[in-house]
Amino acid sequence: ETGVTQSPTHLIKTRGQQVTLRCSSQSGHNTVSWYQQALGQGPQFIFQYYREEENGRGNFPPRFSGLQFPNYSSELNVNALELDDSALYLCASSLPDRLVVPNTEAFFGQGTRLTVV
Amino acid sequence: AQSVAQPEDQVNVAEGNPLTVKCTYSVSGNPYLFWYVQYPNRGLQFLLKYITGDNLVKGSYGFEAEFNKSQTSFHLKKPSALVSDSALYFCAVESGNTGKLIFGQGTTLQVKP
Repeated sequence: ETGVTQSPTHLIKTRGQQVTLRCSSQSGHNTVSWYQQALGQGPQFIFQYYREEENGRGNFPPRFSGLQFPNYSSELNVNALELDDSALYLCASSLPDRLVVPNTEAFFGQGTRLTVV
Repeated sequence: AQSVAQPEDQVNVAEGNPLTVKCTYSVSGNPYLFWYVQYPNRGLQFLLKYITGDNLVKGSYGFEAEFNKSQTSFHLKKPSALVSDSALYFCAVESGNTGKLIFGQGTTLQVKP
């Protein structure tokens, strides 16, 4: 196990609702990235947080937003849910400070399976 | 634009035989390449990475990968497959030094007894 934990593990929401997914990064990791993995696809980068600031964003609309807290845990918020938002959402943290030690591998949580009906 | 291609949706091998899972990439600048494995209903587990240095990279669980710059490939290999290696394998390239990973579509490895 990686030490990266996500909650909840499964979630069912109705179209138009809002959802918050949570991630606790591995101890000492100050960089957290979020990915969306649709069924049968590879993960797609949503955004990254470094020391509580957004540090890069993929091709996702503004209704996907995030936060990182002083303890480096993170949230992914999705507003106005659409059916196509149904996916496995993965959180990844990097060790240790990637601006100091670049190209370190990302450690992934087990994911949150979101189903929008 | 940076991209990763895994040309095979599925690879089937017999237990004990060598396996290869193919990956090609397109990047500007030096590539930072990774392999991850995903078991059903689980997150991604890191296997190995190539940043610089020796073209043959050794990783977890007996896996290795060979970086070939001229062919822009980073194929995953294992000399002797185990049934427990059956899983979904992803190749990824890092975009610059951003920590942003660009993944291939994934290859399902099926190892039969």
